[in-house]
Amino acid sequence: DGGITQSPKYLFRKEGQNVTLSCEQNLNHDAMYWYRQDPGQGLRLIYYSQIVNDFQKGDIAEGYSVSREKKESFPLTVTSAQKNPTAFYLCASSIVAHSEAFFGQGTRLTVV
Amino acid sequence: GQQVMQIPQYQHVQEGEDFTTYCNSSTTLSNIQWYKQRPGGHPVFLIQLVKSGEVKKQKRLTFQFGEAKKNSSLHITATQTTDVGTYFCAGRGDDKIIFGKGTRLHILP
Repeated sequence: DGGITQSPKYLFRKEGQNVTLSCEQNLNHDAMYWYRQDPGQGLRLIYYSQIVNDFQKGDIAEGYSVSREKKESFPLTVTSAQKNPTAFYLCASSIVAHSEAFFGQGTRLTVV
Repeated sequence: GQQVMQIPQYQHVQEGEDFTTYCNSSTTLSNIQWYKQRPGGHPVFLIQLVKSGEVKKQKRLTFQFGEAKKNSSLHITATQTTDVGTYFCAGRGDDKIIFGKGTRLHILP
């Protein structure tokens, strides 16, 4: 089955710890994205990558980091510098940049 | 910078009534996409509109792209309980896509 997989679904971390969210796709898509969703805020772009070994900051990149060493994988690290990390994080991919996006199931991160 | 405004934020309708959500951009868009997110789920792509004045239909859903390519609407005829969820527009301008904040649709039985 082709698709985009995020893990884990729920994640709890203590304040001050870095945490990495996984995103894997087997759709052979070039572009991948990370969005943050807060209640009433819609989807806000954190980082995106149009091709392997390249990525660009989105609108709210501060406190986050990414890598794109493989086409299939685009992990997101939420660092201790992110002031309000508790949120629902969505990974997406598309055949080319900004075309129809396929979303993963999301990871709900809670920092206590 | 580019902004995409979506209204209303919430809409409660009786089952069988119609529903419309509107999307307005501060800049001209090259295309606009619509997504639906069920409660507890993830956004799912519905459609993309590219041409000025374009109208597309999917069963009870009608999507429109304005003549100036700065606004769009999604209209659902005779809502059903399966229509519950949040509907997002996503406008592409320059080289980025901006999502609206979404309209949450609640159906009253």
